[in-house]
Amino acid sequence: GENVEQHPSTLSVQEGDSAVIKCTYSDSASNYFPWYKQELGKGPQLIIDIRSNVGEKKDQRIAVTLNKTAKHFSLHITETQPEDSAVYFCAAAQGSFGNEKLTFGTGTRLTIIP
Amino acid sequence: EAQVTQNPRYLITVTGKKLTVTCSQNMNHEYMSWYRQDPGLGLRQIYYSMNVEVTDKGDVPEGYKVSRKEKRNFPLILESPSPNQTSLYFCASGRDLDEKLFFGSGTQLSVL
Repeated sequence: GENVEQHPSTLSVQEGDSAVIKCTYSDSASNYFPWYKQELGKGPQLIIDIRSNVGEKKDQRIAVTLNKTAKHFSLHITETQPEDSAVYFCAAAQGSFGNEKLTFGTGTRLTIIP
Repeated sequence: EAQVTQNPRYLITVTGKKLTVTCSQNMNHEYMSWYRQDPGLGLRQIYYSMNVEVTDKGDVPEGYKVSRKEKRNFPLILESPSPNQTSLYFCASGRDLDEKLFFGSGTQLSVL
């Protein structure tokens, strides 16, 4: 089955600096890669996603890059702000009929230092 | 308002006492799923459902049951809870598993 590894498990950055979280996946059939943000006491919320036919996607201060050959994808947050402090999860999914699978990474706790 | 509603939010029970955690969505989503969240282990999938009457095991299904008799509801059943099922549980729904998922607010379960 799919295995998603996420690094680092904790990350502290100074406010205004950039943060990068990296994930690797094992199943080359995976074709959808979302990132979720979980604030304290809440359920995860989708912040950005990318499909396998795209190498990079950007939404304001957040970007995701995908390297299908190396089977890794990364989340980039620029100009970090205190409200970016949260736990971030990557995931990999494939929707092939009879072999549907969505697997999450173990999470990264991001702390923004004011 | 589009939402996934889980109940209860907190639950303390004793070993062996059957319990059900309810999950309901109002977005007409076909895909629904249950996850447990444990420190250092992330979100692990328990069961998922691609549509009514279609359910399948995730990565950690032992000790759990689910049913999908109607599109909006996907209850999680623990027939005989044990202390190792103490965890934070999330229900999620989406149009498909490779689409945006909407998560409930979570159920913190403690089995004594």
